[in-house]
Amino acid sequence: EDQVTQSPEALRLQEGESSSLNCSYTVSGLRGLFWYRQDPGKGPEFLFTLYSAGEEKEKERLKATLTKKESFLHITAPKPEDSATYLCAVQAGISGGSQGNLIFGKGTKLSVKP
Amino acid sequence: DAGVIQSPRHEVTEMGQEVTLRCKPISGHNSLFWYRQTMMRGLELLIYFNNNVPIDDSGMPEDRFSAKMPNASFSTLKIQPSEPRDSAVYFCASSLVYGSTYEQYFGPGTRLTVT
Repeated sequence: EDQVTQSPEALRLQEGESSSLNCSYTVSGLRGLFWYRQDPGKGPEFLFTLYSAGEEKEKERLKATLTKKESFLHITAPKPEDSATYLCAVQAGISGGSQGNLIFGKGTKLSVKP
Repeated sequence: DAGVIQSPRHEVTEMGQEVTLRCKPISGHNSLFWYRQTMMRGLELLIYFNNNVPIDDSGMPEDRFSAKMPNASFSTLKIQPSEPRDSAVYFCASSLVYGSTYEQYFGPGTRLTVT
């Protein structure tokens, strides 16, 4: 069964304290791995898509990396405005009627204190 | 671009009542998705449409749930009759599907409370 597990569930950092969020996945035929940011009361906001092991993408203080079993979202020198829940999702290969739908993890809630 | 538009943003209703949630996807997108988000289960796909045709409704929890997409710019998710366990945030997302990988863009959600 296709599955996505994110850890930790919650992470508290001081401003400027770099860290990483983990997304482990088991999927038949990964087509893409997606990172989203979700603020309270809002819908998920798209951040990155990664397609193959070894790929990296960056946006401001965020860098996403991908291996064959997991992805990391590295946050360098975070600021309070980086506080949000970060969601990971995988798009599996077509199986049955799924047509490669996105399967989401439950997210990591990040709090950055000034 | 206005992004994905959902209405209402909040809905409070009594058990047994019919609830209709609405979504307008991003113009030009050819796929539309309905999700439900709860603390316990996270984000779950309910149904998705491609070119207005329902492709996968395996996530629809019961026959009380139905969804339609009469044209490329409008979709509804209906719950009849509603139950307290349907309380959740319902998101609509749209995507331009080409090739084998696509990014979904989410609306602000509808927070449904069934008492």
